[in-house]
Amino acid sequence: DQQVKQNSPSLSVQEGRISILNCDYTNSMFDYFLWYKKYPAEGPTFLISISSIKDKNEDGRFTVFLNKSAKHLSLHIVPSQPGDSAVYFCAAMAAGSARQLTFGSGTQLTVLP
Amino acid sequence: DTGVSQDPRHKITKRGQNVTFRCDPISEHNRLYWYRQTLGQGPEFLTYFQNEAQLEKSRLLSDRFSAERPKGSFSTLEIQRTEQGDSAMYLCASSHSSGNTIYFGEGSWLTVV
Repeated sequence: DQQVKQNSPSLSVQEGRISILNCDYTNSMFDYFLWYKKYPAEGPTFLISISSIKDKNEDGRFTVFLNKSAKHLSLHIVPSQPGDSAVYFCAAMAAGSARQLTFGSGTQLTVLP
Repeated sequence: DTGVSQDPRHKITKRGQNVTFRCDPISEHNRLYWYRQTLGQGPEFLTYFQNEAQLEKSRLLSDRFSAERPKGSFSTLEIQRTEQGDSAMYLCASSHSSGNTIYFGEGSWLTVV
């Protein structure tokens, strides 16, 4: 069963506009969430994270929102730049575990110039 | 460079051969993880070390796979009698037990022919 789901395999956005990437989860034991960016043939690069005790975390152009009741989080990128084109993975870790990550299947973001 | 380092980056091997990957984590990170990623999927957890102790193994880690972290620093992942289904990117990651952020290396691509 997929505990972390990214239902949109791809997203295209015009340069300068907002990109919104979505992620849903099912495991109520998840207490920390991370977003990673991945270019082809490279490892995932950490972008931003959020604890389950918060509902928003912001870092420059990147903001992550968490809605615990809906078990939903989203990553907003404003303004989007062509260099943001990559696959974005949502990941979650559960309290009391080895702090291993459970990943979604990723969303390919393409920012059009 | 103080990031997670993996070697080799690419490996092509014949079915039935053994392969070994090495990972050097970020200095002072006591937690080390191995993940596997196939095309179109997010990374999947394989195993986890805290210092030299292997504390958790995924059911994905068949008995042909073995991982070690003998001195609590670098780690090796060996795959014996490789099969075509082992073709994937093998990712190493590290973190410190005082934090939640997990940092990934560039990955090691394995192709079994």
